[in-house]
Amino acid sequence: DIQMTQSPSSLSASVGDRVTITCRASQSISSYLNWYQQKPGKAPKLLIYAASSLQSGVPSRFSGSGSGTDFTLTISSLQPEDFATYYCQQSYSTQITFGQGTRLEIK
Amino acid sequence: EVQLVESGGGLVQPGRSLRLSCTASGFTFGDYAMSWVRQAPGKGLEWVGFIRSKAYGGTTEYAASVKGRFTISRDDSKSIAYLQMNSLKTEDTAVYYCTRDSSSNYYYYMDVWGKGTTVTVSS
Repeated sequence: DIQMTQSPSSLSASVGDRVTITCRASQSISSYLNWYQQKPGKAPKLLIYAASSLQSGVPSRFSGSGSGTDFTLTISSLQPEDFATYYCQQSYSTQITFGQGTRLEIK
Repeated sequence: EVQLVESGGGLVQPGRSLRLSCTASGFTFGDYAMSWVRQAPGKGLEWVGFIRSKAYGGTTEYAASVKGRFTISRDDSKSIAYLQMNSLKTEDTAVYYCTRDSSSNYYYYMDVWGKGTTVTVSS
């Protein structure tokens, strides 16, 4: 199976900060990489698909980049509602795998 | 409104079976693959499996942790996806989410999620 490793596992930041979360695949996955946001007690929400395509309705402060094995999710200016856990997920293989998650907390 | 609603969760003893349902509305169910994803208490997301649309054979894929014990099926006439879980183990305890799988230029992603149903496996 393709292993997805996110870093950092947790992150403290302030409103207005620029934040970057990294996801690394154990093998090349081209651009078959999606990002999700999950708030406590809620279902995950799709933010970015195909590494860099913004899902409809998602604020433009979210962006994704990368291809191959290294990917990033960037939030350009943190808003209070962005404090959540973020997951990457590969769809290159039929054995779908998620990263372990990055918890974004308020500093 | 596009919506997925899971049902069928509950408390079950180890070794027993349970069937979850995912009822879809607001879109043409038969056009989409459907996945199940679970989340153990305090843990991350774990993909369970998916079923392709009939246009792609309606075939299934499963995570190694559930292969041979879990079965995903679909009834397009009712817009329902099912997750049949047999030989349940305590480690299957989780919130189970149903998702709609969409694609763009062969890039697949889970763009609609249900609210989840809780399965607790305990004696």
